[in-house]
Amino acid sequence: SQQGEEDPQALSIQEGENATMNCSYKTSINNLQWYRQNSGRGLVHLILIRSNEREKHSGRLRVTLDTSKKSSSLLITASRAADTASYFCATRESGGSNYKLTFGKGTLLTVNP
Amino acid sequence: NAGVTQTPKFQVLKTGQSMTLQCAQDMNHNSMYWYRQDPGMGLRLIYYSASEGTTDKGEVPNGYNVSRLNKREFSLRLESAAPSQTSVYFCASSDAGTNEKLFFGSGTQLSVL
Repeated sequence: SQQGEEDPQALSIQEGENATMNCSYKTSINNLQWYRQNSGRGLVHLILIRSNEREKHSGRLRVTLDTSKKSSSLLITASRAADTASYFCATRESGGSNYKLTFGKGTLLTVNP
Repeated sequence: NAGVTQTPKFQVLKTGQSMTLQCAQDMNHNSMYWYRQDPGMGLRLIYYSASEGTTDKGEVPNGYNVSRLNKREFSLRLESAAPSQTSVYFCASSDAGTNEKLFFGSGTQLSVL
């Protein structure tokens, strides 16, 4: 069963705008990760946030985690056409197998030049 | 650095045919995974190998078998392909541990007619 659910399913913005994607999950987690997938390619890891962290930054990416609401958000600032991709959240459940990473269905982001 | 290499990139099978998807990683990772990606379903874990010599079922193992040939290689076999196995297959690897990220191959697009 899917653990993470991204929202919205699709997002279209203009270059230079900020993009925000949300992820909700169902169980307690050890960490939550965000991945990017360009069309026809494999997934690429973007950022990992641990369950005891509330916010993390990496370049133009900002991730927040609210374990009380079981939700996370990914913010991409000053978006570029090259940011056009699908974005997936993935969770590693606490108490579960250390080797299972469960992915959501993804948000398709389109950045228009 | 090659990272995670999957072969073939594309394959068309007839129902009932068998085939093996190959995966190799050159990052000395302990853990390897096979996922399938279907439209609207996100990525679902088929099988994983926590370390050389071990394999375990994921979320959707039926109709598949795997072999962890050595630390580098992890193959996925379809013994009798069915149209429901039409999908994009991704191999991934990670180092051991709860907070490790996955590295993905570029995928195999499989069609079963």
